[in-house]
Amino acid sequence: QAVLTQPPSASGTPGQRVTISCSGSDFNIGSNAVNWYQQLPGTAPKLLIYSSSQRPSGVPDRFSGSKSGTSASLAISGLQSEDEADYYCASWDDSLNGLVLFGGGTKVTVL
Amino acid sequence: QLQLQESGPGLVKPSETLSLTCTVSGDSISSSNSWWAWIRQPPGKGLEWIATLSYTKITYYHPSLKSRVTISGDTSKNQFSLKLSSVTAADTAMYYCAKQVAGPRGWFDPWGQGTLVTVS
Repeated sequence: QAVLTQPPSASGTPGQRVTISCSGSDFNIGSNAVNWYQQLPGTAPKLLIYSSSQRPSGVPDRFSGSKSGTSASLAISGLQSEDEADYYCASWDDSLNGLVLFGGGTKVTVL
Repeated sequence: QLQLQESGPGLVKPSETLSLTCTVSGDSISSSNSWWAWIRQPPGKGLEWIATLSYTKITYYHPSLKSRVTISGDTSKNQFSLKLSSVTAADTAMYYCAKQVAGPRGWFDPWGQGTLVTVS
């Protein structure tokens, strides 16, 4: 079964750098781009990073994405209290006639 | 500004069909290279993609839901819809519609605010 694996939680103090990993396989991250979404409490998800490393307009440059092989990462530098949210990676998976996979999500807590 | 709004019954009985509509404003669901999607999120859990519809009516479905799901569009109303049959309590979730940019391998942006559907 195709899966994208994220750590369930991550934390940091204001100003710190936090990194979230997203691990997949050759069928998904290894051959397709990764997108990241931020979900603030009680709200709909919002696009944070697309095409593995591109930031939509309006997203602060403290958010950055990267991809290497079958893994991707989201980094938040200069962590702020308003960054406390759930973060999801997503990628197309080429198995089973194709599907969009989401990671299980990572809860980021600002200490 | 592109906006999406989900609508539909908040309560559906087990074994019945869940029907939701997404009304799109600020764009046309039939505009060239436009793709539209449904995603759901059970209470307290993660996101699950359900289906995608293209401007040419090409469809993609999550393999585990394919036998129960239909996504379709109504260009006259600029809406697209989701039907999920034979629902059970496991289908209780917040359902979001979204524009899927750059095709089925693309990203979801923007999202609707979501509509909570309870199966009971």
